[in-house]
Amino acid sequence: SQTIHQWPATLVQPVGSPLSLECTVEGTSNPNLYWYRQAAGRGLQLLFYSVGIGQISSEVPQNLSASRPQDRQFILSSKKLLLSDSGFYLCAWGAGGSGNTIYFGEGSWLTVV
Amino acid sequence: AQSVTQPDIHITVSEGASLELRCNYSYGATPYLFWYVQSPGQGLQLLLKYFSGDTLVQGIKGFEAEFKRSQSSFNLRKPSVHWSDAAEYFCAVGDRFYNQGGKLIFGQGTELSVKP
Repeated sequence: SQTIHQWPATLVQPVGSPLSLECTVEGTSNPNLYWYRQAAGRGLQLLFYSVGIGQISSEVPQNLSASRPQDRQFILSSKKLLLSDSGFYLCAWGAGGSGNTIYFGEGSWLTVV
Repeated sequence: AQSVTQPDIHITVSEGASLELRCNYSYGATPYLFWYVQSPGQGLQLLLKYFSGDTLVQGIKGFEAEFKRSQSSFNLRKPSVHWSDAAEYFCAVGDRFYNQGGKLIFGQGTELSVKP
């Protein structure tokens, strides 16, 4: 069966420091991959999605970037964190095509101090 | 553009009572609709989904939802709520590129509290 893992689970970083959140999917090939952010008391905002290696689409202008160096690996990065980057980050994957269902990882709590 | 509205930010029900969480969507064609549940500090778990066919869909944990095209709604229901159902519930719609690896658009969520 397919599983999705993301880490670290929690992270406290100072303003101006770099960020790297990693997500991997097992048990499937060529998944669509997504990064969502959930700010406190708000819904989910799609940040990036990828339909293949090296193919990244950005949904909103921001201080973050994403990369997909391998088929089942999706990385969220920042060179210099802002206070506003604090939130709950969720990686997700989907098989694509008709009847596609998107499944979420356990999330990563980022607090920028 | 597609959008999802969950009118109720917070709902409190008594354990054993029935539950209905409202979801309205804006989409021109037949939508792909989903309900997810999120426990505090956790990821999202899929409860159920509607793609086509029978407008009443059954999900996990005793939940069901009914797609009503005339009302642009996809309300989530459960006949008898358990204390473990306390969580945040998100309704989502697939965008127009959903079949080509598209994206989900989420509502703001409804937080459910359960009174003993």
